[in-house]
Amino acid sequence: NAGVMQNPRHLVRRRGQEARLRCSPMKGHSHVYWYRQLPEEGLKFMVYLQKENIIDESGMPKERFSAEFPKEGPSILRIQQVVRGDSAAYFCASSGETDTQYFGPGTRLTVL
Amino acid sequence: AQSVTQPDIHITVSEGASLELRCNYSYGATPYLFWYVQSPGQGLQLLLKYFSGDTLVQGIKGFEAEFKRSQSSFNLRKPSVHWSDAAEYFCAVGAERSFNKFYFGSGTKLNVKP
Repeated sequence: NAGVMQNPRHLVRRRGQEARLRCSPMKGHSHVYWYRQLPEEGLKFMVYLQKENIIDESGMPKERFSAEFPKEGPSILRIQQVVRGDSAAYFCASSGETDTQYFGPGTRLTVL
Repeated sequence: AQSVTQPDIHITVSEGASLELRCNYSYGATPYLFWYVQSPGQGLQLLLKYFSGDTLVQGIKGFEAEFKRSQSSFNLRKPSVHWSDAAEYFCAVGAERSFNKFYFGSGTKLNVKP
């Protein structure tokens, strides 16, 4: 049973470009969470989605960031017009009908 | 508001020595508590979790943690550390039983001396 998958593992973008991060939850999981980890810090919650619905986006920056979890396909975290401060590791987690969140390996975004 | 404090940023222990990593939380209701471990460049792996019942919980890799409501703590312990335990450890609290966001501490980096 494959775990949570994220791609790409590493992403380099120049300032002003768009970044798209993908997350495929564990098989059978319908809940997806995105977290951001800045250097030397813990993970900070960004958004919680179920299929086709955003349940809680209280941790998302108000501008440039968006997330979706379509009926088919992976969840996408999209960052428009990236800035250097967006450089971080972005982790996706998924859960099923139990309470535990299982994390993917993360996408490390570097903005030049 | 929920919060998690891990007061030790770095800890170094000798291989074979015992280990205790501290975690204090702030939450008004019954918390749901987790410990995760992160190896360099990797994602987070669940070590153990506490929802209710016995306050001493056992996890993988020989780790255990004890929930102490009076101290708002959920410290992680291991009786004998192995070199492969060197990693960063994160404590997290969940606000509700299901489908909720986690609040993470800032992590404790563990170094193991040979």
